[in-house]
Amino acid sequence: EVQLVQSGAEVKKPGESLKISCKGSGYRFTGYWIGWVRQMPGKGLEWVGIIYPGDSDTRYSPSFQGQVTISVDKSISTAYLQWSSLKASDTAIYYCVRRPFSYGPVPGFDYWGQGTLVTVSS
Amino acid sequence: AIQLTQSPSSLSASVGDRVTITCRASQDIRSALAWYQQKPGKTPNLLIYDASSLETGVPSRFSGSGSGTDFTLTISSLQPEDFATYYCQQFDSYPWTFGQGTKVEI
Repeated sequence: EVQLVQSGAEVKKPGESLKISCKGSGYRFTGYWIGWVRQMPGKGLEWVGIIYPGDSDTRYSPSFQGQVTISVDKSISTAYLQWSSLKASDTAIYYCVRRPFSYGPVPGFDYWGQGTLVTVSS
Repeated sequence: AIQLTQSPSSLSASVGDRVTITCRASQDIRSALAWYQQKPGKTPNLLIYDASSLETGVPSRFSGSGSGTDFTLTISSLQPEDFATYYCQQFDSYPWTFGQGTKVEI
């Protein structure tokens, strides 16, 4: 069974750093893209970025470029999203997502983690 | 970045109704579009990929159509469990973008 299991909720102060995780299981971790989606309170979905664990090819949305870092540890099938200096506006649920690699039909995000609530407040 | 505009933003419908949601892209995205359903307090769920392919396990009352700039998600006979917010997303070019969502209410 494919699962993406994310780390637990975090409460941080502005200016603090944070690294949240997403562990994949039940599939070949290096064969699928894994990414992150933000959902601010009461708002829609925003794509943050994505990484291909096989070669660490990483893409970011311009809205998040320079604000977050996406990384992966293949040895433990885990992806990370990190901030060096959080802002109150980073308060949101962050979902990790999986996307198949395909030369044919264009796939979507077929599996989602349960979400990690990040609250940034002084 | 490619903008996706969904319409309507919200709609009221009854069980058994046929519901249609549209997603318009600001430029040609071929068939690189997916649709998701999100129920309150829950994780989004992939319904349709490649504009018209039904994800495994998704009921056949959901269907997708379109290519280029205009796309449609249709629910042929609305069920109680279908009341949710629906999002489209394009994968044609980076940054991948979502529509603003369509809330389907009773």
